[in-house]
Amino acid sequence: GENVEQHPSTLSVQEGDSAVIKCTYSDSASNYFPWYKQELGKRPQLIIDIRSNVGEKKDQRIAVTLNKTAKHFSLHITETQPEDSAVYFCAAIPGGSQGNLIFGKGTKLSVKP
Amino acid sequence: KAGVTQTPRYLIKTRGQQVTLSCSPISGHRSVSWYQQTPGQGLQFLFEYFSETQRNKGNFPGRFSGRQFSNSRSEMNVSTLELGDSALYLCASSVQGLGGELFFGEGSRLTVL
Repeated sequence: GENVEQHPSTLSVQEGDSAVIKCTYSDSASNYFPWYKQELGKRPQLIIDIRSNVGEKKDQRIAVTLNKTAKHFSLHITETQPEDSAVYFCAAIPGGSQGNLIFGKGTKLSVKP
Repeated sequence: KAGVTQTPRYLIKTRGQQVTLSCSPISGHRSVSWYQQTPGQGLQFLFEYFSETQRNKGNFPGRFSGRQFSNSRSEMNVSTLELGDSALYLCASSVQGLGGELFFGEGSRLTVL
């Protein structure tokens, strides 16, 4: 079945710096790759997603890139702010699946003022 | 529009007991997924229901079961509780799964003593 690996597990940056989180997946038929943000004590929320027919997608300070050949996708956050501090989860839907997301183990991002 | 509601929010059980958790999805959402969240393991998929039918099941033992009612509300049950079942159980709803945004509830935190 699908396996999603996420790195790094923790990431600490200074306010204003960029942060990059990388994920790899195993199922070449996977076609949907969302990113969820979970602030401390709160529920995960979708921040951006990308489908397999697109190589890059941006939304203000966040962007996601997808390399289907290498089977990896990355989250890029520019001009980080303290409110970006959270756990970020990448996910993928296995090919042929009808709805279940397989999540990576998460990256705890700390943005220091 | 009301969000995803999970009950109870907190509960403590002892080994060998069973527990039932409830999830009310956003109105109009027909897909309900359940995830187990533990430190270091991220979000692990339990099962997904759509129109009262289980469409997908994760790699959990048969002690974990679920169901969905005609109003899309869902319940999950864990029998013969083990210490390792202590976790945050998150429910998520979406319009129809299939790569759509998941809306998570706040979770039910289960502690097994």
